[in-house]
Amino acid sequence: DAGVIQSPRHEVTEMGQEVTLRCKPISGHDYLFWYRQTMMRGLELLIYFNNNVPIDDSGMPEDRFSAKMPNASFSTLKIQPSEPRDSAVYFCASSPRGQGRYEQFFGPGTRLTVL
Amino acid sequence: AQSVTQLDSQVPVFEEAPVELRCNYSSSVSVYLFWYVQYPNQGLQLLLKYLSGSTLVKGINGFEAEFNKSQTSFHLRKPSVHISDTAEYFCAVSDQASYDKVIFGPGTSLSVIP
Repeated sequence: DAGVIQSPRHEVTEMGQEVTLRCKPISGHDYLFWYRQTMMRGLELLIYFNNNVPIDDSGMPEDRFSAKMPNASFSTLKIQPSEPRDSAVYFCASSPRGQGRYEQFFGPGTRLTVL
Repeated sequence: AQSVTQLDSQVPVFEEAPVELRCNYSSSVSVYLFWYVQYPNQGLQLLLKYLSGSTLVKGINGFEAEFNKSQTSFHLRKPSVHISDTAEYFCAVSDQASYDKVIFGPGTSLSVIP
């Protein structure tokens, strides 16, 4: 299996621009998680899905952030408009059915820089 | 609410020496505990997990951890480290009340010195 795939790996954009991060989970996994990692705040859960349905989005910082999972093999995290404080590494992770709390498989991350 | 404390932000250790990375947690219900490792420019991967049963858990790459309920700790140990163990290590906790959410600690940066 190719593992969790994220694109792009690096994104540099200017303040105010729209940013879309993409994730392909491991085939057959029912859970998908989006995390943000910064030096100041560590690893934060933004939102997670189960069977393509958003279950908990309490970690989404504000309305500028949105996430979708139109099917079992694809998810997006969108920031519109982007701000310099959104600069971070964004990780996507997936888990098999019933295993969301037991083991998560992480992608390589997208390093976002907002100028 | 759950929380995870990793007392050491950075741990330097010489190659072939033993190492212990400390982790304490708070939770009011039965917990599941994890250690994840993050190598430079990579995502996290699971080292080991405690769900139930034996309190001594063995993981990949020669690491082990011991669950101590009375001290609410889950320290990670390795008897002899290698250069390749240089990485960031995250302790994490979940419980039955948190559904599928896992709370990660701030991380400990392990540097192995040749």
